[in-house]
Amino acid sequence: GEDVEQSLFLSVREGDSSVINCTYTDSSSTYLYWYKQEPGAGLQLLTYIFSNMDMKQDQRLTVLLNKKDKHLSLRIADTQTGDSAIYFCAESNPSSGGSYIPTFGRGTSLIVHP
Amino acid sequence: ETGVTQSPTHLIKTRGQQVTLRCSSQSGHNTVSWYQQALGQGPQFIFQYYREEENGRGNFPPRFSGLQFPNYSSELNVNALELDDSALYLCASSWVTGGVGYEQYFGPGTRLTVT
Repeated sequence: GEDVEQSLFLSVREGDSSVINCTYTDSSSTYLYWYKQEPGAGLQLLTYIFSNMDMKQDQRLTVLLNKKDKHLSLRIADTQTGDSAIYFCAESNPSSGGSYIPTFGRGTSLIVHP
Repeated sequence: ETGVTQSPTHLIKTRGQQVTLRCSSQSGHNTVSWYQQALGQGPQFIFQYYREEENGRGNFPPRFSGLQFPNYSSELNVNALELDDSALYLCASSWVTGGVGYEQYFGPGTRLTVT
């Protein structure tokens, strides 16, 4: 199976909260990331969390990590149409070849409708 | 501070040809990584360069090769192009010190189409 798994689509109404979920298999994962990719663009690092943390909040973004279940989530509060994009979950560890090379999921396409 | 830039933006090549893609790292970064992103997939790691030497490689054949220059810019070369090489090629730069460098910043990518 995939090392990092995400659901492929999420549709929300503008103003609601969005929650994007991710599971990973590598118990030695040290850093877990969320990236955003808009159409025709590269990846933008949104936030990351170190594996000894349970939660990280950054403005409208909240990351929750359940290390026991190897489950990561990204909550976007007050979702706006500009948040429509593909969101990638990724994990890395010191032994992933090179320097903390992230392994990416397939991405969750977030669609925000009025 | 200048972000990561890549050239060209788009490229069309014929099967069997060779291609060179270019990347300029973000100012102050000493490490560059290259990724291949097929349609509908997440990026797949090709290789990483640190101080002009290959510092890790993903599951890609030797016809994928690279260079990093003293100014930390980089090239990705692909020989004997195959149809499956059609993808978005992403470059990411980071600052690595003491073997640690966990924040990567991506360029906009080069869209390669092989016909």
